[in-house]
Amino acid sequence: DIQMTQSPSSLSASVGDRVTLTCRASQSISIYLNWYQQKPGKAPKLLIYAASSLQSGVPSRFSGSGSGTDFTLTISSLQPEDFATYYCQQSYSTLFTFGPGTKVDIK
Amino acid sequence: EVQLVESGGGLVQPGRSLRLSCTASGFTFGDYGMSWVRRQAPGKGLEWVGFIRSKAYGGTTEYAASVKGRFTISRDDSKSIAYLQMNSLKTEDTAVYYCSRMDLSSSGYYSFDYWGQGTLVTVSS
Repeated sequence: DIQMTQSPSSLSASVGDRVTLTCRASQSISIYLNWYQQKPGKAPKLLIYAASSLQSGVPSRFSGSGSGTDFTLTISSLQPEDFATYYCQQSYSTLFTFGPGTKVDIK
Repeated sequence: EVQLVESGGGLVQPGRSLRLSCTASGFTFGDYGMSWVRRQAPGKGLEWVGFIRSKAYGGTTEYAASVKGRFTISRDDSKSIAYLQMNSLKTEDTAVYYCSRMDLSSSGYYSFDYWGQGTLVTVSS
């Protein structure tokens, strides 16, 4: 199976900060990488698909980049509603796998 | 509006069985693959459980190693329902189970674009 890792596991940031989250795959997955946001007690929400494509309805402060094994999710100006856990997920193999998540909380 | 509603969760003893349902509305259910994802204890992350392709792609299934041979996913397109049959349950299967719709891009790329709110399964004696 393709293993996904994320760093950092958690971070504290302030409203207005630029935040960058990292995801790494154990083998090349081209651009077959999605990002999800999950808030406590809520379902996950698709933010970014195919590494850099913004899902409809998602604010433009979210952006994704990368290919191969290394990927990033950037929030250009953190808003109060962005405090959540973020997961990457590979779709290169149909034995899908998620990363362990990065929790973003308030500094 | 796309909606997915899970049901069937609850408390079950180890070794017993449980069947979850995912009732869909707001889209042509038969055109989409459907997946199940779980989140175990608080502080744990998301774990993909398995999925079923649409009939157009054979209606075949794939499963995570942790549930293969114990869990079975099926679908009833006439009722717009996906099922997760869970047998030989273990305490480590305790989790919130989500169903999600799988969007397949023209380049053969899947993403999970809509999710239900989840149903809690607790495996305990």
